[in-house]
Amino acid sequence: AQKITQTQPGMFVQEKEAVTLDCTYDTSDPSYGLFWYKQPSSGEMIFLIYQGSYDQQNATEGRYSLNFQKARKSANLVISASQLGDSAMYFCAMREGRRDFNKFYFGSGTKLNVKP
Amino acid sequence: DSGVTQTPKHLITATGQRVTLRCSPRSGDLSVYWYQQSLDQGLQFLIQYYNGEERAKGNILERFSAQQFPDLHSELNLSSLELGDSALYFCASSVFGGGSQETQYFGPGTRLLVL
Repeated sequence: AQKITQTQPGMFVQEKEAVTLDCTYDTSDPSYGLFWYKQPSSGEMIFLIYQGSYDQQNATEGRYSLNFQKARKSANLVISASQLGDSAMYFCAMREGRRDFNKFYFGSGTKLNVKP
Repeated sequence: DSGVTQTPKHLITATGQRVTLRCSPRSGDLSVYWYQQSLDQGLQFLIQYYNGEERAKGNILERFSAQQFPDLHSELNLSSLELGDSALYFCASSVFGGGSQETQYFGPGTRLLVL
């Protein structure tokens, strides 16, 4: 089974609007971390936000927030007030705390296009 | 800037050749990870080193090898290169290398083209 699933290969959003990028995960480990990375066309992988499985509140970092629904095993990234510079690939990733704790699992990514 | 450096940025070589990719982790990070990103395979974990020792192995081919040196920089050696090895190779680093809270910070990548 896939550890991380991103079902939206591509998304469009109008500038200044909010957008949600979906991510579901699969683990039986009670301790895990969820991460989102941004990869612009230049290629580098930029860390955006982290959510721990025991965190009571949704993580936020500036315009990025993580909609964490533990029972549904989803960790959607919400970008508010989209900017042209947000156009990029976005990857959801997970790290388990106990089993295979050295491995990072990445989803296949969502390509976001922000339209002016 | 993540603080992770990788050299070279671009590399063009021929099939059958051998190349070495270099990575310096963020200051204070003990763990280094190598990833391969190709168009059809996505981001694939290759190998991890922690404080000089191999910690975890992913989908790394036998033609590929890596090591981490006492100063914590790491090198990924790719030999008998094939066209299919053309990809973006990332190095990432983290403080310890284990546990669910450990964030990995990525370098800018080395873009390898095998002709």
